[in-house]
This record gives sequence, structure tokens and C-alpha cells, in this order.
Amino acid sequence: QITLKESGPTVVRPTQTLTLTCTFSGFSLTTSGVGVGWIRQTPEKALECLGIIYWNDEKRYSPSLKNRLTFTKDTSKNQVVLTMTDMDPVDTATYFCAHKVLSYSYFDPWGQGTLVTVSS
Amino acid sequence: QSALTQPASVSGSRGQSITISCTGTSSDVGGYNYVSWYQQHPDRAPKVMIYDVSNRPSGVSNRFSGSKSGNTASLTISGLQAEDEADYYCSSYASSRTYVFGTGTKVTVL
Repeated sequence: QITLKESGPTVVRPTQTLTLTCTFSGFSLTTSGVGVGWIRQTPEKALECLGIIYWNDEKRYSPSLKNRLTFTKDTSKNQVVLTMTDMDPVDTATYFCAHKVLSYSYFDPWGQGTLVTVSS
Repeated sequence: QSALTQPASVSGSRGQSITISCTGTSSDVGGYNYVSWYQQHPDRAPKVMIYDVSNRPSGVSNRFSGSKSGNTASLTISGLQAEDEADYYCSSYASSRTYVFGTGTKVTVL
């Protein structure tokens, strides 16, 4: 059974850097074709794919956010870390991580999500 | 890349069929057969219902079906049931090599 769980701060100040950790089980990021995606959902319920990191360390970032995003992985801990710089109130959202397979065009399953509020 | 366009809401009576549209461009929906559909109940994570335009993952009811024509994909729910009341999002692979989501549709079962 594959499970994922996001963790990190619930409140971030404007201009600060957000760091979120996705801890997963039931799969390995050393397995060919496997990846972890990051998706966020605004309070208005819009979904946005932030990007994906794959087993071979290939990273695909959203074109609109690529200058602010960094994904890293720690295969020994079964963790993926998202770093987003220069946070703004419009970045307030629930952040999800999700299992992804390169040859499949969908994310499944997703973590429960973590709400991050950007406010001074 | 812009969000795919979906109707804000669709409703239907129990037992009826409804269809949700998802309109993109040739850089996403029209360019690839990699459209998926997600169901999201309140305070839950999205769950994939359809992938690669018309394929159902194991365990998903055959009341859910998908199709695509040009830049528009569609999700049809037949034999509408109370538990189908949820938000639905389409998603497509895009030329940016990531994925773009739809604006979301709230399905109400009357």
C-alpha cells in the first residue's frame, strides 16, 4: 500500500522561504520510472501542478514557478522536499504530494495535504 | 500554461447521466491523449477516476467514462448516485512537460 504525508509549517511570512517534506511508504524513489509530484489547491479550490521529481533526479517544474521552486529527494529516508522562495499571500494553499509513474499520466495516490497560510 | 476550462457546476437527478466538459488547447488536451479526471469529496484528497482519456483504474465504477474530441475532453457519469456528489477536475499533460488542471466542476445530485 502506497501512502504519502506532507509536513511543514502552517504559517509562513511574506518573502520567506517555504520548506515542505513529503514522507512516503510503499514505493522507492530508486525504482526506475517512479516519481513524486507536488500539487497545490487554493482556498478557491483551484488545483495547480507545481512539478515532479523522478527516480533519476529529473525535475520538471511549473513554468510559472520554476524560478522559485526546488525539489530534492532523500532516498534513504523516503522523503522528497519542496522549497519555494519569496512566499506571497497568493501562495496560501493546501499543498499535496502524490505518487507518479513516468509512464502513467496521473497522480495516484495523493497525500492528505497540508495547509500553508502566508501572512504577516 | 492556463487552467483548462470546466463548467462551474453540473447537476442531475439520481439515475440520470451527466457530462462535464474540459476545454484546453493544442498544447495540452488537443496535443496528447493524456487526460485524466479526479474526484474530490470535501476535505479529502483528489482520487483518479479516468486516465489516458478513457481508461478506468481498477476499482472505479464503470458508470464513469471519458472521451475526447479535439481540444475538449469529457467525463460522463451515468446512473448518478448520491455518492457521486463531489468536485471533479480534469488534468492534461502539457507541452511544458508537466500537468495542467481544470478549473473544477461541482456535481450536485438532486
